[in-house]
Amino acid sequence: RKEVEQDPGPFNVPEGATVAFNCTYSNSASQSFFWYRQDCRKEPKLLMSVYSSGNEDGRFTAQLNRASQYISLLIRDSKLSDSATYLCVVTRQSSASKIIFGSGTRLSIRP
Amino acid sequence: DVKVTQSSRYLVKRTGEKVFLECVQDMDHENMFWYRQDPGLGLRLIYFSYDVKMKEKGDIPEGYSVSREKKERFSLILESASTNQTSMYLCASSFGGGGYGYTFGSGTRLTVV
Repeated sequence: RKEVEQDPGPFNVPEGATVAFNCTYSNSASQSFFWYRQDCRKEPKLLMSVYSSGNEDGRFTAQLNRASQYISLLIRDSKLSDSATYLCVVTRQSSASKIIFGSGTRLSIRP
Repeated sequence: DVKVTQSSRYLVKRTGEKVFLECVQDMDHENMFWYRQDPGLGLRLIYFSYDVKMKEKGDIPEGYSVSREKKERFSLILESASTNQTSMYLCASSFGGGGYGYTFGSGTRLTVV
């Protein structure tokens, strides 16, 4: 079983829709959580950190559920430009070697 | 803006060749990383370095080595390229550890024939 698992998708939703996807992690000692965005044939870029209390950045909301060991990303009022692959990132410790990337969830927004 | 520059966008090499992938960052970051990204497998850490001349193995170091002689430059070396090393290679740097504030280079797509 992978340490970090994501539904690969693709999620195909109409513009303006709300879409959410989860990422589960297996190591209960995991400490920090992030969402990265990767456009086609481009490098990943940090989208947002995920805090225990949940956090929001415009149309994006990230949540952490430690009891069930998953993080989620909610995108409201989706735009065509939101089409990308979203990578979940989990760190086991504050060490560079303990950062695990999920394999990503593909999101496609249609007009 | 932090910039991480990888020397080549696309490379085609022959089996058995020695391959050098270069990465340079311009923000005085301590940590530098080499990942490979393959469909369905996500990003996998090959090696990382937290200081000049320091290196540590990641999850898949076999068949690779690295060099960090200067703070801004981190090189990945494929000693004898094999077809299973065909992949997208991504370099990243960060000021601290923990996954926050990684800046990636635009990647090198390496094909070994």
